[in-house]
Amino acid sequence: GAGVSQSPSNKVTEKGKDVELRCDPISGHTALYWYRQSLGQGLEFLIYFQGNSAPDKSGLPSDRFSAERTGGSVSTLTIQRTQQEDSAVYLCASSFTTYNEQFFGPGTRLTVL
Amino acid sequence: AQRVTQPEKLLSVFKGAPVELKCNYSYSGSPELFWYVQYSRQRLQLLLRHISRESIKGFTADLNKGETSFHLKKPFAQEEDSAMYYCALQGLNNQGGKLIFGQGTELSVKP
Repeated sequence: GAGVSQSPSNKVTEKGKDVELRCDPISGHTALYWYRQSLGQGLEFLIYFQGNSAPDKSGLPSDRFSAERTGGSVSTLTIQRTQQEDSAVYLCASSFTTYNEQFFGPGTRLTVL
Repeated sequence: AQRVTQPEKLLSVFKGAPVELKCNYSYSGSPELFWYVQYSRQRLQLLLRHISRESIKGFTADLNKGETSFHLKKPFAQEEDSAMYYCALQGLNNQGGKLIFGQGTELSVKP
């Protein structure tokens, strides 16, 4: 079946602009995660959704970052007033439920000029 | 504090040589440990997890709670093993399913 998909695959934006990154998890997966992969910081957890529970936002680096998950499926990560340090690959993963294997998407490469 | 440490950024070996990628962790509680691999131009994927105790593609990893280590080993490296390897920890004490990753080790297997 189809794996986790993300769009766009690449995004170039100017400093100060807002961006939206999209994640389509595997159908039936109730848990969804966002991670960030950057040269200086490696792979960092950002946010986690599980079913209808309140999301775990403990990894979001600043209040410019937010995410939502509509209808328990598609998720959007929004970065407001982008900064150059936001440049990274943003990865989405989903799992059947918490503690099951996480399947990763191909990532969105964000470049902030 | 939860932390995963992979001390080697790059590990280079010749084909047929044994390989060991080191991973140490810090966690107060019961963790689950994983190794993820990312081949060139492919997405991150699970290689193996401690709880399943499997050998995948000839790789094994043993959890040593005394040394808080989860090193990845393979007796005879192959060129197709060249990739980026990440050790990761998942807390099992109501931490949700988030993964804490090490910085990664790039394995290069030379012919």
